[in-house]
Amino acid sequence: GAVVSQHPSWVICKSGTSVKIECRSLDFQATTMFWYRQFPKQSLMLMATSNEGSKATYEQGVEKDKFLINHASLTLSTLTVTSAHPEDSSFYICSAGRSSGGEQYFGPGTRLTVT
Amino acid sequence: QKEVEQNSGPLSVPEGAIASLNCTYSDRGSQSFFWYRQYSGKSPELIMFIYSNGDKEDGRFTAQLNKASQYVSLLIRDSQPSDSATYLCAVHNYGQNFVFGPGTRLSVLP
Repeated sequence: GAVVSQHPSWVICKSGTSVKIECRSLDFQATTMFWYRQFPKQSLMLMATSNEGSKATYEQGVEKDKFLINHASLTLSTLTVTSAHPEDSSFYICSAGRSSGGEQYFGPGTRLTVT
Repeated sequence: QKEVEQNSGPLSVPEGAIASLNCTYSDRGSQSFFWYRQYSGKSPELIMFIYSNGDKEDGRFTAQLNKASQYVSLLIRDSQPSDSATYLCAVHNYGQNFVFGPGTRLSVLP
């Protein structure tokens, strides 16, 4: 058990457009979902934490109006990168936890390239 | 600021040897400790978690936790080239976010 999927696995978009990334926990209900960003050869950077039905909590320096997070159910969270720019090109990874204090399970990641 | 520190490496070990990866953390209230493996270009994969002081073994992997010294380690026995990856240590205090270390790059030489 504990499978997390992400869609799409990669996306190329033009500067100024918006991109939506979906994260689903397939075989468990996730009390909390996390969104990370990882630039090449750098460590994971937590962007935001979301709990089902409530507003996401963003880390310092992450623009909440640019990175819109919706956690509509216990199995689905979405991240929308609005008005994407080339500097937003990165590897976006979601993770889901099925209990507070428990382990996180990562999705396979979405590679975003903004041209 | 809560911190998790790891030697960035690369740590190189010959095939068949024991690889020892270390992690220290600053938050004494931390209660859960995790080791993730991340291959280049892939997302992290959970290897082990440990909550209590002492050793926890799972196959070729052993996690060791010492809360008094605030360190957690991961031993990989009989290292294989397929173990070559970046290993991330993560620490959690209930009610707070996970804190990930920067990762240690392990290279197992055939």
